Amino acid sequence: KNEVEQSPQNLTAQEGEFITINCSYSVGISALHWLQQHPGGGIVSLFMLSSGKKKHGRLIATINIQEKHSSLHITASHPRDSAVYICAVILNYGGSQGNLIFGKGTKLSVKP
Amino acid sequence: DGGITQSPKYLFRKEGQNVTLSCEQNLNHDAMYWYRQDPGQGLRLIYYSQIVNDFQKGDIAEGYSVSREKKESFPLTVTSAQKNPTAFYLCASGTGPETQYFGPGTRLLVL
Repeated sequence: KNEVEQSPQNLTAQEGEFITINCSYSVGISALHWLQQHPGGGIVSLFMLSSGKKKHGRLIATINIQEKHSSLHITASHPRDSAVYICAVILNYGGSQGNLIFGKGTKLSVKP
Repeated sequence: DGGITQSPKYLFRKEGQNVTLSCEQNLNHDAMYWYRQDPGQGLRLIYYSQIVNDFQKGDIAEGYSVSREKKESFPLTVTSAQKNPTAFYLCASGTGPETQYFGPGTRLLVL
């Protein structure tokens, strides 16, 4: 049973399209990360959020704690956005330092 | 230039051989982590260390060992007991799960 589910698994878009990647989880969490992994393998953190919405440039992340769901949106997508996007949740251990549980990732390819 | 470095980028292991992956950080972070990534799978935690001279097993620690003698360094040894070591290995450091900075990764291949 996967505690963190991402959809879609793979996504191909044309440059300029609006993109949405979804993350659902089944455990109690204190916060959630959206990460970006480029073809070379290195991972960078895009957002960490525990409620509401965050925006950075063309990227927007939202989270609904009650519904256990988060979305990552990319507006005006560009080929350089092509990467694997990973959702990772921070477990709520009620006081203990929790670790991360990762989704399997969404592979995004943006065509020019 | 602050960050996390991992070396080598590619590593080849022969049957029955132990190999060590290096992870160094100059971010002054107390916590360091090792993850394994397999195709089509999410990252899985191998070991983590919250402070020097202390480390804890993660979800898939069997066949691996670590040490944390210095704050800056958290090497991972893949032992011969790890029967399926081919994977991409990522090291991370942070102040906790809320802040994790990832290294560039090491790809381990078996000859």
